[in-house]
Amino acid sequence: EMLLLESGGGLVQPGGSLRLSCTASGFTVESYSLTWVRQTPARGLEWVATISASDSTTYYADSVKGRLTISRDTSRNTLHLQMNSLRAEDTALYFCAKDKFANAVGDSFDVWGRGTAVSVSS
Amino acid sequence: DVQMTQSPSTLSASVGDRVTITCRASQSLYKWVAWYQQRPGTAPKLLIFEASRLETGVPSRFSGSRSESDTEFSLTITDLQPNDFATYYCQGYKSWASSIFGRGTRLDMK
Repeated sequence: EMLLLESGGGLVQPGGSLRLSCTASGFTVESYSLTWVRQTPARGLEWVATISASDSTTYYADSVKGRLTISRDTSRNTLHLQMNSLRAEDTALYFCAKDKFANAVGDSFDVWGRGTAVSVSS
Repeated sequence: DVQMTQSPSTLSASVGDRVTITCRASQSLYKWVAWYQQRPGTAPKLLIFEASRLETGVPSRFSGSRSESDTEFSLTITDLQPNDFATYYCQGYKSWASSIFGRGTRLDMK
C-alpha cells in the first residue's frame, strides 16, 4: 500500500521559517512526481509546488515562488518543503500528494497524506 | 491562467437521489480534469481522473463527463448513499505541473 505522512507543521512568526517533511512508504519518491497542496477555508485547495520524478525539475505557484522550496531526499524516501519569509497568508493545512501516473508531472493525485497544519502569526 | 468555476457551492439531496456537480474552465482542458471527495478531517480522495475514468475501488455510481468544447465538466452521483455526503472538488491540470482547483461543492443531506 502506498502511503504519505506529513510532519513539521506548527506556529511560526511572520518572516520566520519552517521545514515540512512527507515520508513515503510503498513506493520510492523518485518514481513519481510529488506535489504540495494547501487548504484554507477562505481559499480552498491551492496547488503550491511540484517536483518531477524524472529530473527533479521544480515548479511553483507564483504566490510562493522565491520563498518556498520543494526538494526530495531519496536516501530517506522523503519529500520536503522549506518555507522561508513566511506570511500570514501561508497559514493553511499542507498536504503532500503523489501523481497517479509515473510518467506525469502535475497529474491527478491518487495518494495524499493526512496533512500538517502551519500557522503564521505573531 | 486557467480558472475553474464550480457549481453549485452547496447542494441538498436525499439518499437514493441523483446529483450532478459542474466545473466550467476558462479555456479548453481537453480531458485533464479530476474529481475528489473530501470528508471532514480527511484528505481529498481521487474519484475520477482524465474527466471520465473511474479510480480503482470507487463505486460505479460515480461518473464523470466533459462537453464537446472541453470546457465544461460534470460529476454525477446516482443512488446517493449516506457515505456520499461530503465536499467535492474538481481539479484542472492543463499547464505543465500546475493545477487549479474548484472552490468545492458541499453535498448535504436534505
